[in-house]
Amino acid sequence: GAVVSQHPSRVICKSGTSVKIECRSLDFQATTMFWYRQFPKQSLMLMATSNEGSKATYEQGVEKDKFLINHASLTLSTLTVTSAHPEDSSFYICSAIEYQETQYFGPGTRLLVL
Amino acid sequence: AQTVTQSQPEMSVQEAETVTLSCTYDTSESDYYLFWYKQPPSRQMILVIRQEAYKQQNATENRFSVNFQKAAKSFSLKISDSQLGDAAMYFCAYRISNTGNQFYFGTGTSLTVIP
Repeated sequence: GAVVSQHPSRVICKSGTSVKIECRSLDFQATTMFWYRQFPKQSLMLMATSNEGSKATYEQGVEKDKFLINHASLTLSTLTVTSAHPEDSSFYICSAIEYQETQYFGPGTRLLVL
Repeated sequence: AQTVTQSQPEMSVQEAETVTLSCTYDTSESDYYLFWYKQPPSRQMILVIRQEAYKQQNATENRFSVNFQKAAKSFSLKISDSQLGDAAMYFCAYRISNTGNQFYFGTGTSLTVIP
């Protein structure tokens, strides 16, 4: 199957700093990528849809200025958590759509804001 | 609104036995895709099986098979000969075809495999 990488896998930062998470499709081109947030023992919550070459589409309740998304190429999307606070601590997962509408996921990034 | 319902928060199965996880969905669309994803403790989401709504034949993937009932909007996953490595959260997901829009996920079923 298609491979999606995500970096870093884990990050600890101080409150007020910004954190960038990268999502790459390694063996396919992805015009659309998704960013999710997952709380413990819960389902995935879609944050935004990232489209190559255009602005991301954010879900209701997700702050655009807080969670900056850039999809600069067909293989890379980045999520920047700006001025992170402890309530932003979570597990963030990206995904990309490949052949036949199938979504493949990155391994996730665990963010802890102190 | 598109919704996906997994009515079993937790399930358990004896090793080597068969278990069925249920999923129902609500849609007015006729062309869509359905998926089962597995999330083990590593939290990496792994595709288990997919089904195109226009196909009447149920998808199978080794020990995994689905029972797709389009009229009933039901999409259950059967795991045969359960193995310890099957222990995970299982999410049912739905997506409308060719829209570029999001996937809709169920709330998940936690599967325990008993040795």
